[in-house]
Amino acid sequence: AQTVTQSQPEMSVQEAETVTLSCTYDTSENNYYLFWYKQPPSRQMILVIRQEAYKQQNATENRFSVNFQKAAKSFSLKISDSQLGDTAMYFCAFMKHWGNYGQNFVFGPGTRLSVLP
Amino acid sequence: ETGVTQTPRHLVMGMTNKKSLKCEQHLGHNAMYWYKQSAKKPLELMFVYNFKEQTENNSVPSRFSPECPNSSHLFLHLHTLQPEDSALYLCASSQDGRANEQFFGPGTRLTVL
Repeated sequence: AQTVTQSQPEMSVQEAETVTLSCTYDTSENNYYLFWYKQPPSRQMILVIRQEAYKQQNATENRFSVNFQKAAKSFSLKISDSQLGDTAMYFCAFMKHWGNYGQNFVFGPGTRLSVLP
Repeated sequence: ETGVTQTPRHLVMGMTNKKSLKCEQHLGHNAMYWYKQSAKKPLELMFVYNFKEQTENNSVPSRFSPECPNSSHLFLHLHTLQPEDSALYLCASSQDGRANEQFFGPGTRLTVL
């Protein structure tokens, strides 16, 4: 069974600084997908960034980028130029799709990030 | 109205009550999901529906009963719940049930007395 670990329950960063959130996972699969989701205090979960395991290039979305190390099963999220609106819970998630047979979607326990003014 | 909506936003029920949670998506997606989010526990995937067919049931107790009458609506029927079932229940939808982005609703905060 797949597992996702986020070893940092809480983190804080000064506004405009850079922060990196850690995520490791365990799987025997070769093709899968990894996600970072953000859940602000208002509770609406939104996608931050996505990475396909078959792609070697690290995904980037504006101030958000990942460091995907497939051999090490590591998928960290870097937030550059942190903004107050980045304050949220961040969840790392693993997804394996089985075609018409369903899918396995596993979330990590989350990291609570606070951006300080 | 756009996105994924959930009603009610808050629900308090006794252990002998029967209630239902409703989720509606206005995104034209054909896969819908129920998640349970408890304090200090990872987000748990409960049910997945692809094209109205249930494709995932992660050993969820039978006191939770999902229903997907069409690809836009998803229900979670609740019956004789336990206090440990108190949690935030999140609904999500995606296109094709594949590795596309899941769009989440705001959740229903359920308290079982």
